[in-house]
Amino acid sequence: DAGVIQSPRHEVTEMGQEVTLRCKPISGHDYLFWYRQTMMRGLELLIYFNNNVPIDDSGMPEDRFSAKMPNASFSTLKIQPSEPRDSAVYFCASSPSSVGKNTQYFGPGTRLTVL
Amino acid sequence: SQQGEEDPQALSIQEGENATMNCSYKTSINNLQWYRQNSGRGLVHLILIRSNEREKHSGRLRVTLDTSKKSSSLLITASRAADTASYFCATGGAGGTSYGKLTFGQGTILTVHP
Repeated sequence: DAGVIQSPRHEVTEMGQEVTLRCKPISGHDYLFWYRQTMMRGLELLIYFNNNVPIDDSGMPEDRFSAKMPNASFSTLKIQPSEPRDSAVYFCASSPSSVGKNTQYFGPGTRLTVL
Repeated sequence: SQQGEEDPQALSIQEGENATMNCSYKTSINNLQWYRQNSGRGLVHLILIRSNEREKHSGRLRVTLDTSKKSSSLLITASRAADTASYFCATGGAGGTSYGKLTFGQGTILTVHP
């Protein structure tokens, strides 16, 4: 199993540009999570999906952030327009739906730098 | 604010010593999990303990859970330099819309000196 795959691994962009982060969850996992990690705020849950349906997006900081999961094997997190304060490491994680076994498997992350 | 609060925020020990990290939480849980994060990497699951369990072992890891005090501890015995990482506790909701979601604490930074 390849694990959770994220792309790109690093992204440097200028303020105002659109950024799209991509995630491929582990096959068979019903849950997909997007997190953001910074030194100041730690690990924050942005949004999560169950069976491709967004369940909780209360962590999405602003309307500039949007996430989609068009099918079970692909999700995107989009920031438009990007701002310097969006600089962070963004993680995608997936989890099976087994009761009591909601272990999450994290991808390697995308390090985003907005200049 | 985060559900799980780890203590201490940072821990520095010598190789061979034991490392103990604590986690407190506020609401009812289905399970509690510990994760490790090496610098520049994603989090890796270490161990899960269910709300009806009190203690669990995995190799050099020992986790305890006290639901009456809403607290957990992670003990790493005979630490190694390779154990240097950040350690996070995460609580799984007791049901409803929180099922599947984990709430992570701020983490403990462990440094093991050779």
